[in-house]
Amino acid sequence: DAGVIQSPRHEVTEMGQEVTLRCKPISGHNSLFWYRQTMMRGLELLIYFNNNVPIDDSGMPEDRFSAKMPNASFSTLKIQPSEPRDSAVYFCASSRTGGIGNTIYFGEGSWLTVV
Amino acid sequence: QQQVKQSPQSLIVQKGGISIINCAYENTAFDYFPWYQQFPGKGPALLIAIRPDVSEKKEGRFTISFNKSAKQFSLHIMDSQPGDSATYFCAAAHGYALNFGKGTSLLVTP
Repeated sequence: DAGVIQSPRHEVTEMGQEVTLRCKPISGHNSLFWYRQTMMRGLELLIYFNNNVPIDDSGMPEDRFSAKMPNASFSTLKIQPSEPRDSAVYFCASSRTGGIGNTIYFGEGSWLTVV
Repeated sequence: QQQVKQSPQSLIVQKGGISIINCAYENTAFDYFPWYQQFPGKGPALLIAIRPDVSEKKEGRFTISFNKSAKQFSLHIMDSQPGDSATYFCAAAHGYALNFGKGTSLLVTP
């Protein structure tokens, strides 16, 4: 079975440019998460969707970040304009439901470098 | 602030030894405690998980010990192998949100 698929795997962009990260969750999963991983802050939840609806976006750092989930099989995380401090690994993850005990499956991540 | 504190930051163990990673939390509402394993260039993957109604859970060489009164839990890796070399994250959750520790980089030497 295909896991969570993310693209691009690596992105190097210049400060001020728009960055769009893409995610295809596991088929049949109705919960989708975007996490960010940095050495300093570890793994942080950015946003959580349930049935394509954003439920919790309290982790989104600022207005430069936005996320959408137009359908059950696709989500995007956009940064506009990007800044060097946005450099991190961005993980998309999905689960069957968002409830307790349900295994969350992570993609392999999108490695973003903003120069 | 970090809701789950994990230690040590890094750990070196000889093959065949026991690896022990500790985590502590404050929020008593947490009711699900998973451990994730992450290899370089990969996403975290669920290794083992426990709920607070039991004090221990074992799966193969991996054991979680849970102390509800102390609000602490730990991962024990018995007979550690070089293939176990990875970063391990503890987490605590209530509902949908996983709160991760900062991770422990484990190196098992031959």
